[in-house]
Amino acid sequence: DTEVTQTPKHLVMGMTNKKSLKCEQHMGHRAMYWYKQKAKKPPELMFVYSYEKLSINESVPSRFSPECPNSSLLNLHLHALQPEDSALYLCASRGLRGDSPLVMNTEAFFGQGTRLTVV
Amino acid sequence: KQEVTQIPAALSVPEGENLVLNCSFTDSAIYNLQWFRQDPGKGLTSLLLIQSSQREQTSGRLNASLDKSSGRSTLYIAASQPGDSATYLCAVRRDNNDMRFGAGTRLTVKP
Repeated sequence: DTEVTQTPKHLVMGMTNKKSLKCEQHMGHRAMYWYKQKAKKPPELMFVYSYEKLSINESVPSRFSPECPNSSLLNLHLHALQPEDSALYLCASRGLRGDSPLVMNTEAFFGQGTRLTVV
Repeated sequence: KQEVTQIPAALSVPEGENLVLNCSFTDSAIYNLQWFRQDPGKGLTSLLLIQSSQREQTSGRLNASLDKSSGRSTLYIAASQPGDSATYLCAVRRDNNDMRFGAGTRLTVKP
């Protein structure tokens, strides 16, 4: 099973709403990512969690709040977003089965994304 | 900061042609490079992963090469089909799980 599941598939929210995006994988991967992708642009790295700890935050505005409650689940909490935050939000995971650099060279798998529209 | 460039930005070919997509990166200290395919509005599908110690990987009609010292990778697609039409993205992974994408090549294969 190489599946990364993202919910919901589509989300429309107002600028005063609070919502959450969810990402789940059961491959035993210990690195999980959030990317933001605007139309006709490449995915932009937002956050990386490694062993459930935040290891990379690409200076993302605080209205985006990531959370990794366990090794299978990654959330992105949204609050007071702007219309320009409308995008496809992609989650990815990668295996980290040990500290050896050899086992860190593993394939990343992506979910199908959440299409977010902020109105 | 790692910069990843893909050329061409768009490519249109008739069915049956062989084609090459290019990816270049500025920092050669990478762990691996991965090629993905993305259909419009969808997520990314992994095609091939090349470790930093490897020169080449093959899967079916796809062949990817890596020249780490010169900061280049190519994706070769043999006997292209209309179903290959998609955007192809390369991603380079450095330490700390930092994984960066190129802007992609939008491929159209005409029947």
